[in-house]
This record gives sequence, structure tokens and C-alpha cells, in this order.
Amino acid sequence: SQQGEEDPQALSIQEGENATMNCSYKTSINNLQWYRQNSGRGLVHLILIRSNEREKHSGRLRVTLDTSKKSSSLLITASRAADTASYFCATDGSSNTGKLIFGQGTTLQVKP
Amino acid sequence: GAGVSQTPSNKVTEKGKYVELRCDPISGHTALYWYRQSLGQGPEFLIYFQGTGAADDSGLPNDRFFAVRPEGSVSTLKIQRTERGDSAVYLCASSRKNQGTGTRGTQYFGPGTRLTVL
Repeated sequence: SQQGEEDPQALSIQEGENATMNCSYKTSINNLQWYRQNSGRGLVHLILIRSNEREKHSGRLRVTLDTSKKSSSLLITASRAADTASYFCATDGSSNTGKLIFGQGTTLQVKP
Repeated sequence: GAGVSQTPSNKVTEKGKYVELRCDPISGHTALYWYRQSLGQGPEFLIYFQGTGAADDSGLPNDRFFAVRPEGSVSTLKIQRTERGDSAVYLCASSRKNQGTGTRGTQYFGPGTRLTVL
């Protein structure tokens, strides 16, 4: 079963604009990760934020985490056409296995 | 070095047949995961191996699904008596050994096997 929901389900923006995607989850977590997926195949790890962190940056990516609201956001600044993909948040829960529970994803289209 | 590889990339089979999907993890990664992704959905966890043993198989949907990792490297996901509902992309991921709460290794995903059951 899915951990939570992502919002919006689909997002279309112009190149150069910022894109914000939100993720909500249901259970306590050790960390939350964001992945990108092109053409419905392999996932590429983007960034990991631990449960004791509130914000993290990596290049044009900014992730926030609010454990009190069980939510996270991913901001992509100065978007490029190559950012067009599906983006998934995934939570690593309190069990010791490291298994990830994914959201349903946001499909981002960046128009050149 | 090479990433996670999965074979075949596509598999078409008939209802009721048996299939095997193979995953070659990144060398040295002791943790291996199988996920299944249906169209328009996020991946769903199936099974986790730490070394040779299945440490968590809670995601396997029923007893038609089975996975092995006999030497702690390559893993095979086996599906018996396939059904049309088994059609999905099957993803494999590997990571370094779990190092405790909050310090797990990043999971690196393979390109997946697209299974179509006719």
C-alpha cells in the first residue's frame, strides 16, 4: 500500500520557473527521500532528508520536512526541459529493513 | 562501476505460465530490494534481502511470488501461475549494508523488467 499522497498529481510549467511538489505520509519515519523517474523505468535518487532535519539543499533542489505535519516538499528552482519526469517521495519507516514506501508521484512537464 | 542490472528488460507471457526475473546488484551491496510498479502508481515494496536471507517478505502479494538470493549477490524473483494482474514493472534496488537507524545507504535502482501477462 502507498504511504501517502503527493500533490499535485501533475504540474506543467515553463522553463526557468520554479516547481514545487508536496508529499504527505502517515507513519513515523527515519528519513524521507525523493526520486526522479523518466519514462516509467529506473528511479534516480535525488536527495535524502533525515527525520531530525528540517531543510536540505542539493544544487537546484531544496527539500523541507515537517514531521509534525508529516509532510515534505521538493522545490526545483530554475527548471529546465530536462527536469521533465515523474517525482516520487519515499519514506524509510521505523523498521530496521530500510524498505521504502513510495507516494503516487507528481508528473512534471517543463516546457521549453 | 556498473549499476544495478535487470534481465530481461521486457517479458511477455501467457496467463498461467511461470516467469523468472533476474537482478544483478551493485558489487559489494549486501542489501537488495524488489519493488513492483503498476502504471500510474509509485513502486510498492515486495521483499528485502540482507545477504542471502529474506529479512522482510511482507510485501509479497501471495504465495505465487518467491525470491531467492543464494550467494548473496544475484537475486531471482519467481512468479508461478502468472495472472493478468501481475503485469507491472518489477524494479530491483541495492544498497550498502544497513548501518542502523537513520544511516541507511541510498538505494540504487535498476531499469526494471516490464512484465506483461496476456
